[in-house]
Amino acid sequence: GQSLEQPSEVTAVEGAIVQINCTYQTSGFYGLSWYQQHDGGAPTFLSYNALDGLEETGRFSSFLSRSDSYGYLLLQELQMKDSASYFCAVRDSNTGKLIFGQGTTLQVKP
Amino acid sequence: NAGVMQNPRHLVRRRGQEARLRCSPMKGHSHVYWYRQLPEEGLKFMVYLQKENIIDESGMPKERFSAEFPKEGPSILRIQQVVRGDSAAYFCASSPKAGSAYEQFFGPGTRLTVL
Repeated sequence: GQSLEQPSEVTAVEGAIVQINCTYQTSGFYGLSWYQQHDGGAPTFLSYNALDGLEETGRFSSFLSRSDSYGYLLLQELQMKDSASYFCAVRDSNTGKLIFGQGTTLQVKP
Repeated sequence: NAGVMQNPRHLVRRRGQEARLRCSPMKGHSHVYWYRQLPEEGLKFMVYLQKENIIDESGMPKERFSAEFPKEGPSILRIQQVVRGDSAAYFCASSPKAGSAYEQFFGPGTRLTVL
């Protein structure tokens, strides 16, 4: 089977940096994705790592270490609007279906 | 270029009634995925369809749930004889092709409440 673990909650202040970790156990691995979801909203794609290393997109970066079955999402210069839930997910190689973690609720305080 | 569309956005049903959820994928996308999200939880895969074919329904409950994606028109997720435990947000996502290399774009979801 496949399972992903991430912290349930993280709190940080505006302007700070926060890292959300994700560890996974999968029968086959074809990349780790990150999604953002605001309350009542749809999941929005943030990033995808297929290979080891860091991917940077503006204030958000994502890292993957396949040997450690571990990845993280790094959010810099936090803003109040970053308060949301963040999900890591692995992709099935054949169908592309996503297997999601339980999500990390990020609360950004002034 | 419209994104993934779902309707209705909110649906209220009494126990025993039927719920029909619709999803229109992005233009040019022929692959549709349905996910369910219970309160305070992550999204759980339900079913993957291509036009006129169910490819993977490993996440669908064995009874009362069915899905289709006809040649013309939206994909439909149908829940018969709803129970309170069916209350959840149902999201569909579409992609241009199958496989791990293609991003999925999510619709706004349908929030089903069973009274």
